Amino acid sequence: DVVMTQTPVSLSVAIGQPASISCKSSQSLVGTSGKTYLNWLLQRPGQSPKRLIYLVSKLDSGIPDRFSGSGSETDFTLKISRVEADDLGVYYCLQGTHFPYTFGAGTKLELK
Amino acid sequence: EVQLVETGGGLVQPGKSLKLTCATSGFTFSNAWMHWVRQSPEKQLEWVAQIKAKSNNYATYYAESVKGRFTISRDDSKSSVYLQMNSLKEEDTAIYYCTWNQHGDYWGQGVMVTVSS
Repeated sequence: DVVMTQTPVSLSVAIGQPASISCKSSQSLVGTSGKTYLNWLLQRPGQSPKRLIYLVSKLDSGIPDRFSGSGSETDFTLKISRVEADDLGVYYCLQGTHFPYTFGAGTKLELK
Repeated sequence: EVQLVETGGGLVQPGKSLKLTCATSGFTFSNAWMHWVRQSPEKQLEWVAQIKAKSNNYATYYAESVKGRFTISRDDSKSSVYLQMNSLKEEDTAIYYCTWNQHGDYWGQGVMVTVSS
């Protein structure tokens, strides 16, 4: 199985400051179609997970452009340009290239 | 509005069975590829199973941890997807979500399954 390694485990950020989360996969996530199926999800307290970004860098509908995704092959990053209170929760990366699909262990974003 | 509603969870003894149902609305279910994902008490997310559409011969895929014990199925006439869970183990204890992500990303509210004697 593809192992998804997320860092850091937790992140304490002040409102208005930037944040960055890394996700590394144990093998390339480039699929046979040439597409890279790397997603980022946010799970707010008490809620179901919700996808923010798919195909490495494409924002889902309604997701503010404060969020951005980048990376290739095995190394990916989620950035928040200016953290807002609504951004708090646990962020997960998810690879959908290889079966079984696998998630990172999560990064908890807290307010400083 | 897309909706996914899971039911059927509960407390069950090890070795017993349980069947989860995910009732959907708001999209063309017959074309949808559906997934079950679970979240352990430690908050780790694990993809469990996928079922594709009729045009893909209802192909199914499973995580190794549930292969041979769990069966995903669907009823397009009811816009519902199911997860039959047999020979349950304590490590199957989790919140189970059904998800659809071909046009946007949608998750149900989840249903709790507790396997304990």
